[in-house]
Amino acid sequence: KQEVTQIPAALSVPEGENLVLNCSFTDSAIYNLQWFRQDPGKGLTSLLLIQSSQREQTSGRLNASLDKSSGRSTLYIAASQPGDSATYLCAVSMGNNDMRFGAGTRLTVKP
Amino acid sequence: DVKVTQSSRYLVKRTGEKVFLECVQDMDHENMFWYRQDPGLGLRLIYFSYDVKMKEKGDIPEGYSVSREKKERFSLILESASTNQTSMYLCASSLLGSSYEQYFGPGTRLTVT
Repeated sequence: KQEVTQIPAALSVPEGENLVLNCSFTDSAIYNLQWFRQDPGKGLTSLLLIQSSQREQTSGRLNASLDKSSGRSTLYIAASQPGDSATYLCAVSMGNNDMRFGAGTRLTVKP
Repeated sequence: DVKVTQSSRYLVKRTGEKVFLECVQDMDHENMFWYRQDPGLGLRLIYFSYDVKMKEKGDIPEGYSVSREKKERFSLILESASTNQTSMYLCASSLLGSSYEQYFGPGTRLTVT
């Protein structure tokens, strides 16, 4: 059974710092991996989608990488801002519309 | 831009009531999903649908049913609400197949008293 783990569960950094969020998964037979942002009490906003054949995707200050063989993905946030404070979730698609989510990393960026 | 809307942001119901949660998407997506999100348990799939009138059980379908009469609309029904169904409910949609992004609605925070 696929298990998705995100470490750390919470992270606090000063504004301007570059940071990396980690996601690991136990079964490498995935279709894709998706990173989401969730603000308190709100739904999920899709940030980046990496297909299983890709190594990375970039959007603005965000860069996500995927190493399928080792079961790892990272989300790199450059020059963090207080507006980046949120919970970040990763999810892997197993096919047959089966998507498995991590528990998330709660990020706080202090001014 | 894909837009997924949910009928209510907050809902308070009594034990035993029948509850309807509505989800509408405007991008002609074939797939639609209902999840619930609980602290410490993450997101869990309740049901999904890949076409009108088609549905598949997810991980936790007990106590729930769904309806998809039109492509853009997917309803989650709690036949007889119980306190353990107090949760955040999230609807999502995507194109057909497993390689596509899922787009989520804003969520409905349901409290059953």
